[in-house]
Amino acid sequence: DADVTQTPRNRITKTGKRIMLECSQTKGHDRMYWYRQDPGLGLRLIYYSFDVKDINKGEISDGYSVSRQAQAKFSLSLESAIPNQTALYFCATSDWGAEDTQYFGPGTRLTVL
Amino acid sequence: QKEVEQNSGPLSVPEGAIASLNCTYSDRGSQSFFWYRQYSGKSPELIMSIYSNGDKEDGRFTAQLNKASQYVSLLIRDSQPSDSATYLCAVKVTGNQFYFGTGTSLTVIP
Repeated sequence: DADVTQTPRNRITKTGKRIMLECSQTKGHDRMYWYRQDPGLGLRLIYYSFDVKDINKGEISDGYSVSRQAQAKFSLSLESAIPNQTALYFCATSDWGAEDTQYFGPGTRLTVL
Repeated sequence: QKEVEQNSGPLSVPEGAIASLNCTYSDRGSQSFFWYRQYSGKSPELIMSIYSNGDKEDGRFTAQLNKASQYVSLLIRDSQPSDSATYLCAVKVTGNQFYFGTGTSLTVIP
């Protein structure tokens, strides 16, 4: 089984709808991240969490919210989806040690019509 | 100015050649630097991390860091067609955020 899983893998929705993307990990890592990837713009950090009680905004948090339900679960919500939120979304985890290597989930392709 | 900049490429090299990928960053307080490889439609996977000035070698891959010049590079020796992918430079800046470059597309021609 994959260490970092994301659901759904693909989602098509309409403008104004509320969407939740979920991320689960079995790596036992404390740190979890949400990124979006757009062609020509690379990976951009949306939110990150260093433990259940610690949530931080990233580079592009406007229009998004997150919930860290447990050490292993980190959800990203789009309260009212808009077309420019169409992107590939990745969840990642890392341990707190010096290496801080990030391990990425398989991604969720979101299309907002 | 972007936090992390890479040449987008595409970069093409013949099989067996050395591929050189470059990255510059703006935050002088950055301490951790990473190279990820991303195949089309897949998630990024770590190739190398580097934290100190100088070179770090792992098999066919060598990462080079020069903090004074705010420059990170990745050399791939004996390039193989399977190395064809997009290579992402990532930097952990002060404040614990990660910034990624836009990636360099590499094609290794058999």
